[in-house]
Amino acid sequence: DIQMTQSPSTLSASVGDRVTITCRASQSISDWLAWYQQKPGKAPNLLIYRASALQNEVPSRFSGSGSGTEFTLTINGLQPDDVATYYCQQYKSSPYTFGQGTKLGIK
Amino acid sequence: EVQLVESGGGLVQPGGSLRLSCAASGFTFNGFWMSWVRQAPGRGLEWVANIKQDGSERDYVDSVRGRFTISRDNAKTLLFLQMNSLRAEDTAVYYCARAVWFGGYMDVWGKGTTVTVSS
Repeated sequence: DIQMTQSPSTLSASVGDRVTITCRASQSISDWLAWYQQKPGKAPNLLIYRASALQNEVPSRFSGSGSGTEFTLTINGLQPDDVATYYCQQYKSSPYTFGQGTKLGIK
Repeated sequence: EVQLVESGGGLVQPGGSLRLSCAASGFTFNGFWMSWVRQAPGRGLEWVANIKQDGSERDYVDSVRGRFTISRDNAKTLLFLQMNSLRAEDTAVYYCARAVWFGGYMDVWGKGTTVTVSS
């Protein structure tokens, strides 16, 4: 199975900051990577697919990059509404594994 | 409006069975792979299973293979997860999700249904 490791596990930043979350795969997954946002008590919401493609209606302050084994999710201009846990997920091969999550809060 | 609504969760004893359902609406159900993803209390997301548009392909995470069966009724736009031989570690919120790219990632999610396995 492909292992996905996110860093950091928790993160606190100020409104307006640029925030970066990293996801590493245990083997190359090309660009078969998705990012999800999950707010407390809610279902996950797809943000990014194919490592860098923005899902419809997702604000443009979210962006994704990377390929192979290292990927990043960037939020340019953190907003209070971005408080959530963020997960990466590989879909190169089954089982489709998720990272452990990064909990993002506001300072 | 694209919508997925899960039902069928509840409290079940270890070794018991439960059948989850997911009612889909607002999109062409038989045009998409579908998935189940679960989240244990306070834990991260775990992909459980997916099924091809016509039901001809199904895949499972190893921890549920042989105990869980994913199926679908395209005429009624319903997705199912039959869960047998349930264990305490199956306790989780179970999400139904529409899957894209051969079932690889999920672009629409239901609100989830809670399964608790306990005596």
